[in-house]
Amino acid sequence: EAGVAQSPRYKIIEKRQSVAFWCNPISGHATLYWYQQILGQGPKLLIQFQNNGVVDDSQLPKDRFSAERLKGVDSTLKIQPAKLEDSAVYLCASSHPPGESPLHFGNGTRLTVT
Amino acid sequence: AQSVTQPDIHITVSEGASLELRCNYSYGATPYLFWYVQSPGQGLQLLLKYFSGDTLVQGIKGFEAEFKRSQSSFNLRKPSVHWSDAAEYFCAVGTHSGNTPLVFGKGTRLSVIA
Repeated sequence: EAGVAQSPRYKIIEKRQSVAFWCNPISGHATLYWYQQILGQGPKLLIQFQNNGVVDDSQLPKDRFSAERLKGVDSTLKIQPAKLEDSAVYLCASSHPPGESPLHFGNGTRLTVT
Repeated sequence: AQSVTQPDIHITVSEGASLELRCNYSYGATPYLFWYVQSPGQGLQLLLKYFSGDTLVQGIKGFEAEFKRSQSSFNLRKPSVHWSDAAEYFCAVGTHSGNTPLVFGKGTRLSVIA
């Protein structure tokens, strides 16, 4: 089966600019996650979708981050405006069913904010 | 809320030597437990998982892990390390609630020397 697809692989932007990341989960996976992984740390959940509904966005900095999964398939994560501390790898993962199966991760998008 | 502690930030082992990476979790009920590996520039790959039953689980690439409820631990082991095992290893805990996302530890970086 095809894995989780993410694009772009790398992005360099200046602070206060905006950026968007795209994720296409494994076909049939209803649950989609965005994680932020800062260098030297483990992944931290930003948002979890079940189909096109948000299950958990308690750790999403909503003043600057937004995410959507309009048709319950692919998803976009946006940062506007970016800050230096947003430099990280943004990982998308999917699973089905939630909780009972492992997460399948994409290769991530490495964001550098200068 | 659940949490994971990986006490070792960095471990160096000789090729052919045995390996044990430590993981301690905090969760009030029986958890789901996972070990993932991340090579540079890559996403996370599942090594093995524990849901229930036999507390010694086998994974890919010759890895195994043992769930010890009394010690709240889920240590990863390999009898003979290969140079290609050099990577970052993450322990993660999930719950049986279904919609609770995985919580990851900060990771242990494994270096393998000749």
